[in-house]
Amino acid sequence: AQKVTQAQTEISVVEKEDVTLDCVYETRDTTYYLFWYKQPPSGELVFLIRRNSFDEQNEISGRYSWNFQKSTSSFNFTITASQVVDSAVYFCALSEDAGGSTLGRLYFGRGTQLTVWP
Amino acid sequence: DAGVIQSPRHEVTEMGQEVTLRCKPISGHDYLFWYRQTMMRGLELLIYFNNNVPIDDSGMPEDRFSAKMPNASFSTLKIQPSEPRDSAVYFCASSLLRSYNEQFFGPGTRLTVL
Repeated sequence: AQKVTQAQTEISVVEKEDVTLDCVYETRDTTYYLFWYKQPPSGELVFLIRRNSFDEQNEISGRYSWNFQKSTSSFNFTITASQVVDSAVYFCALSEDAGGSTLGRLYFGRGTQLTVWP
Repeated sequence: DAGVIQSPRHEVTEMGQEVTLRCKPISGHDYLFWYRQTMMRGLELLIYFNNNVPIDDSGMPEDRFSAKMPNASFSTLKIQPSEPRDSAVYFCASSLLRSYNEQFFGPGTRLTVL
């Protein structure tokens, strides 16, 4: 079973529209970390945000906002007033607590291709 | 500060040849990860190291793949012999334990095996 599900394979919007990218995760750990990465056409993966499981406060950074809801195991990403430069593949990822002084691995979703048309 | 550095950026080789991909992590990072990205399988973790020691290599596809990290500033991923199905983009990433797995990715190596 996939630990991170991004049900939306592709989304197309027109510039200035708001768009929400969905992410649902699965874990039995009580301590875990959630991430969003952006992969623009240039191909490099760019870190956007990390969220800890014990902090459900939503976060806003400019036009970006994230909604973390443990009750539904979701960590959704909203872009307000989208721009052409937002066109990219967006990945949601989960890291579980490996315990002790070690890191677990990152589990990535399959990604959502966002296309913003002018 | 320099980010994660990977070389080469592009590699085209013929089936059966040996391929070596290189990675220099961000200075001071104690974790290094190798990923492979394809359309069919998405982003797959191949192997990761902690303080130069392999921690989990369960994602390495088969014995043709091997990875080493001889020191904190250098890692290699080797494919021998290469096959067309190995064609993919290979990413290296590094992170710090205290950053809760916030990984920084290199630009990737696009490998084409003919």
